[in-house]
Amino acid sequence: GAVVSQHPSRVICKSGTSVKIECRSLDFQATTMFWYRQFPKQSLMLMATSNEGSKATYEQGVEKDKFLINHASLTLSTLTVTSAHPEDSSFYICSAPPWRRGRAPGAYNEQFFGPGTRLTVL
Amino acid sequence: QKEVEQNSGPLSVPEGAIASLNCTYSDRGSQSFFWYRQYSGKSPELIMFIYSNGDKEDGRFTAQLNKASQYVSLLIRDSQPSDSATYLCAVRGGSQGNLIFGKGTKLSVKP
Repeated sequence: GAVVSQHPSRVICKSGTSVKIECRSLDFQATTMFWYRQFPKQSLMLMATSNEGSKATYEQGVEKDKFLINHASLTLSTLTVTSAHPEDSSFYICSAPPWRRGRAPGAYNEQFFGPGTRLTVL
Repeated sequence: QKEVEQNSGPLSVPEGAIASLNCTYSDRGSQSFFWYRQYSGKSPELIMFIYSNGDKEDGRFTAQLNKASQYVSLLIRDSQPSDSATYLCAVRGGSQGNLIFGKGTKLSVKP
């Protein structure tokens, strides 16, 4: 299957600092990438949908000014957690469906997940 | 709001037995259903997807879908200790294709 990488895999930061997480599709192009968050013993919850060339779409309750998303190219999306606080400590996971010319948005079954980024805010 | 429900477990089965994992979903219009396996501290791995009523088999795994009952299940035959993980059921969400996950069922396979 296709590979999605995330960097860093683990980050510890002080409260009030900003943290950038990169999500890259290594061998395919992705016009859409999804950012999920998983708290301990909870399931993955969609935070936002990153779209190449346009603004990200945020889920209800997710502050767009706090979680900045930039889909810079067809292979890279970044999530920046601004002014991080301890309650932002979580496991952040991106996923990307491969782009196919002519395929309708959402009309795919394969979706490749990155290995995740463990964020700890002290 | 689409919802996916799973029994959190833990489900404990002996090695070699069949593990049966169940999932229900709220939106009758849902079309595509996914089973993922997640080891502790790792991201989910796709086991299989299903979108037609009935059974779909892949090796030791069988997914079963009953749209009338809004029910999806995953059977794992000849369970191995390496199958011990949390199993996440997911349905496709909005038009962009994001997934809506259940909370997962923790499976423990005892040697």
